Amino acid sequence: QKEVEQNSGPLSVPEGAIASLNCTYSDRGSQSFFWYRQYSGKSPELIMSIYSNGDKEDGRFTAQLNKASQYVSLLIRDSQPSDSATYLCAVNRPGRDDKIIFGKGTRLHILP
Amino acid sequence: DGGITQSPKYLFRKEGQNVTLSCEQNLNHDAMYWYRQDPGQGLRLIYYSQIVNDFQKGDIAEGYSVSREKKESFPLTVTSAQKNPTAFYLCASSILGEANTEAFFGQGTRLTVV
Repeated sequence: QKEVEQNSGPLSVPEGAIASLNCTYSDRGSQSFFWYRQYSGKSPELIMSIYSNGDKEDGRFTAQLNKASQYVSLLIRDSQPSDSATYLCAVNRPGRDDKIIFGKGTRLHILP
Repeated sequence: DGGITQSPKYLFRKEGQNVTLSCEQNLNHDAMYWYRQDPGQGLRLIYYSQIVNDFQKGDIAEGYSVSREKKESFPLTVTSAQKNPTAFYLCASSILGEANTEAFFGQGTRLTVV
């Protein structure tokens, strides 16, 4: 089992709809979780972080964490064409190798 | 301003040549990482380092070498043994020993074999 798994996509969502991106992780000792957005040819940029079970909202973005299910998701409301990018899930597990692990990313296409 | 600087932005390599990609950070981060990204693909870890003079292989270390002589610097050498080096290379850094810390990325170096 890969340490951080994401569906590679592409995920196509109509403009104005909700985009739902999912990520699972294998190490129960993981403590913090991140979503990065990467535009083609650019470096990833952090858009959300979440550390405890439940939801965390920031503007149109909501991160959801369920540690029992080892599952983290990102919801994008009112999707815009500018949201078209690759979204990377990352997990931090201090004390165990102590490094940040990235998933392969999900490509999101917002259809005008 | 604090951040990570990668140079050069674009690099061209001839067949059989070694090239070195620079990565410098002034964030006082202990951990530094090198990733390779091919078109339409995710990040693949090449090497990472948690402390000066120590580093560990990632998933695709063959054909690459690194050094960590200073906390601020983590250069990556793409050797002639790397048969398909054309890719986008990303350097990142993070704090060690703290749970709520993310990775910060440089702007990347695009390497092309000519």
